[in-house]
Amino acid sequence: GAVVSQHPSRVICKSGTSVKIECRSLDFQATTMFWYRQFPKQSLMLMATSNEGSKATYEQGVEKDKFLINHASLTLSTLTVTSAHPEDSSFYICSAMAGEGYTFGSGTRLTVV
Amino acid sequence: AQKITQTQPGMFVQEKEAVTLDCTYDTSDPSYGLFWYKQPSSGEMIFLIYQGSYDQQNATEGRYSLNFQKARKSANLVISASQLGDSAMYFCAMRGYFSGGSYIPTFGRGTSLIVHP
Repeated sequence: GAVVSQHPSRVICKSGTSVKIECRSLDFQATTMFWYRQFPKQSLMLMATSNEGSKATYEQGVEKDKFLINHASLTLSTLTVTSAHPEDSSFYICSAMAGEGYTFGSGTRLTVV
Repeated sequence: AQKITQTQPGMFVQEKEAVTLDCTYDTSDPSYGLFWYKQPSSGEMIFLIYQGSYDQQNATEGRYSLNFQKARKSANLVISASQLGDSAMYFCAMRGYFSGGSYIPTFGRGTSLIVHP
């Protein structure tokens, strides 16, 4: 089946630094990648949709300059949290459409100290 | 607009018993897909089962079955013979509206299932 590999699974960074999260589709081409943020015991909150070779579409209220999304190839999409602050600490997970459904990366727990 | 409603924030079930997790949906599209995902404490989203809007029969995958009632717009997940490892969050989702070249998915709020020994 379709697999999305997400790295890192866990990262701790200092306030003010940037963190890059990668999602790779291993055995299929992901034309579209969805990026989510999830708070404890809550549902997935769609942050943005990225399409290969074009600018990402951000959901209302998501800061484009803070959450930089790049989808340079059909197998790689990245989310960079710039100038991270403690309030950016969260679980981030990517997803791609594969066939009729959606396949997810394993998620990244970001802690900003 | 599309919407997924899961009205059970938490459910408890005894090991080896069956449990039903509720999901209702709303959409104006005649063609849609419904999914259930399991999210254990590790955070990964595990695909469980899929039901297409034109599928005549209810979907089944091992211990999971989807009780699809189209007229009622419900897509309840039935887990038979619950196991301790079934304790997790469960999300109902819909292959959503088409925008910008892709189908934007819609998720419910989730149901936390705890299986007691």
